[in-house]
Amino acid sequence: GAVVSQHPSRVICKSGTSVKIECRSLDFQATTMFWYRQFPKQSLMLMATSNEGSKATYEQGVEKDKFLINHASLTLSTLTVTSAHPEDSSFYICSARNIAPSDYTFGSGTRLTVV
Amino acid sequence: EDQVTQSPEALRLQEGESSSLNCSYTVSGLRGLFWYRQDPGKGPEFLFTLYSAGEEKEKERLKATLTKKESFLHITAPKPEDSATYLCAGQGGSEKLVFGKGTKLTVNP
Repeated sequence: GAVVSQHPSRVICKSGTSVKIECRSLDFQATTMFWYRQFPKQSLMLMATSNEGSKATYEQGVEKDKFLINHASLTLSTLTVTSAHPEDSSFYICSARNIAPSDYTFGSGTRLTVV
Repeated sequence: EDQVTQSPEALRLQEGESSSLNCSYTVSGLRGLFWYRQDPGKGPEFLFTLYSAGEEKEKERLKATLTKKESFLHITAPKPEDSATYLCAGQGGSEKLVFGKGTKLTVNP
């Protein structure tokens, strides 16, 4: 089946630094990738949608200058949390959509802790 | 605005005690209704996609059904390893999935 690899699984960083999270589709080409944020005991909140070679589309209320998304190829998307603060601590999950069949496969998530 | 509501929020079952999880949706132009399983600290794991009312899909102890207003995830004779949070999501006119808040299932041995 389709596999999406997300790294790192856990990261602790100091306040004010930047963190990059990678999301790779291993055995398929992803037309679209999605980035979600999940708070404890809450559902997934979509942050942005990215298509290869074009700018990401951010959901209302998501700061595009803080959460930089790059989708350089059909198999790789990255999320960079810039100038991270403790309130950015959360569980970040990526998802990739297959060209065919039209399924959404999720990465294993990244637990970000900003201290 | 598209919306997906799951109930109950939490469900405790004894091993072998069958039950159903509900997912009510108001998604304009529904293209697909998705069920995922999520274990603590992990990303969602795909279970089923349903595309039209009346459709049913099965996988081991799980069976998903779809009507024009809701979807059910039936769990038959659950085992402790079925304990997880089950997420329902609808896809409407765009590529975005709209998620419910999930049902946390606990199966006691």
